[in-house]
Amino acid sequence: EVQLVESGGVVVQPGGSLRLSCAASGFTFDDYAMHWVRQAPGKGLEWVSLISWDGGSTYYADSVKGRFTISRDNSKNSLYLQMNSLRAEDTALYYCAKGEGDGYNLFDYWGQGTLVTVSS
Amino acid sequence: QSVLTQPPSASGTPGQRVTISCSGSSSNIGSNYVYWYQQLPGTAPKLLIYRNNQRPSGVPDRFSGSKSGTSASLAISGLRSEDEADYYCAAWDDSLSGPVFGTGTKVTVL
Repeated sequence: EVQLVESGGVVVQPGGSLRLSCAASGFTFDDYAMHWVRQAPGKGLEWVSLISWDGGSTYYADSVKGRFTISRDNSKNSLYLQMNSLRAEDTALYYCAKGEGDGYNLFDYWGQGTLVTVSS
Repeated sequence: QSVLTQPPSASGTPGQRVTISCSGSSSNIGSNYVYWYQQLPGTAPKLLIYRNNQRPSGVPDRFSGSKSGTSASLAISGLRSEDEADYYCAAWDDSLSGPVFGTGTKVTVL
């Protein structure tokens, strides 16, 4: 059974930094691209970032480019999101999601999310 | 912000058929697969349809997806109370080099 468990969400002040983690199990982690997707309170879904199976390629939404960094450790079956220069508009539930099939297909499994609140 | 356009709401009585549209452009729906997700209140999204019209195992065949040109649709037949949820379409966007989501549709079972 595929499981994705996010952690690291807290309340942080504007301008602060945070690192989210996602522990994956139930599938061969290094076979798949992985994503971060977020959802602001009461709002829709917004894709944040993507990393290829080997970490060699990364993509970011314009809203986070230059502030967030996605990475993975295939030896630990883990995905990360380093978030710097946080803004109030980054407040959201952050989901880790597995890519479907090969290449950069979209998401087939999602974690339960970890809540990031940016507030003074 | 969302690049794909969906109606904000849709409704039907139990047993009816409901269709949700998703309108995009040549850079997303027009040239890439469409995915559909169901988000029940307070839960994470769940994959309903992948690669335009494929159902993952465990998803009832009451749910079906289709795509034509730069638009896609999700149909729910035999509507049930447990289908009350938010539904999102999504597709890769070649211009943005990333996935884009629809605005979301809230389905209500009357």
